[in-house]
Amino acid sequence: AQTVTQSQPEMSVQEAETVTLSCTYDTSESDYYLFWYKQPPSRQMILVIRQEAYKQQNATENRFSVNFQKAAKSFSLKISDSQLGDAAMYFCAYLSYNTDKLIFGTGTRLQVFP
Amino acid sequence: DTAVSQTPKYLVTQMGNDKSIKCEQNLGHDTMYWYKQDSKKFLKIMFSYNNKELIINETVPNRFSPKSPDKAHLNLHINSLELGDSAVYFCASSFARGRIVTEAFFGQGTRLTVV
Repeated sequence: AQTVTQSQPEMSVQEAETVTLSCTYDTSESDYYLFWYKQPPSRQMILVIRQEAYKQQNATENRFSVNFQKAAKSFSLKISDSQLGDAAMYFCAYLSYNTDKLIFGTGTRLQVFP
Repeated sequence: DTAVSQTPKYLVTQMGNDKSIKCEQNLGHDTMYWYKQDSKKFLKIMFSYNNKELIINETVPNRFSPKSPDKAHLNLHINSLELGDSAVYFCASSFARGRIVTEAFFGQGTRLTVV
C-alpha cells in the first residue's frame, strides 16, 4: 500500500523569504500523480501544484515549485517570496494511476511572520 | 457556481442518532470520494466511487454507508452516531481518462459534532 510522509509538523518563515516543505512517499507503482494542497483556516482545500510522475521536469506555479526526485520518492514544495496569505496547513498527496486512490500526508502547518 | 457542494456545512447531533451528509458535483467527474479530517488535521480516505460503483472502502465501520444515486452525487449516511465520529467530513471529485487526470476538487467540508 502507498504511504505519504510529511516529517515536518510545523514550519515557519519570514515574509519575503523562501521555505521548503518536505514530502516522501512509498509506492511500488511507476505511474502516479503528486499534489500539494493548501488548507487555510477557512478549511477549504486548495490545489497548489501538481506533478505527473512520468514527467521529469519539476512543476512550477508562480512562487511555488517542486523538487521531484522519483528515485528517492521525494516531492518537496518550495515557496518563494513568502506572503502572509501563505500561512496554512499544507498537505502532500499521492494519486494512484491504477486505482484512483488519493491519499494524503499528515500535513505541515506553515506560519509566516511579518 | 459551486463545483463540489456539501450540505450541511455544520451538523450537531446527539449520540445514537442517524444523519446524512449530501454531496453533489457539477464538474462531470466520474470519481467521488469521502474523507474524514480529525482534530489533528489527518485526512483519511473513507470511500471512493467511480461511475456509481464503490471502488475503495477503507476499513470504515459499517455504520457508515455511502450511496451514489448517480455519478454526480455521493451521499454519506451514518447510523448510531458515536462521539468519535466528530470530525470534518470532506467530499471530493476528480476525473481520470488515461493520462488525463484532474486534481481532486473538494467541497467546503461538513463539521460534524456528536454530543
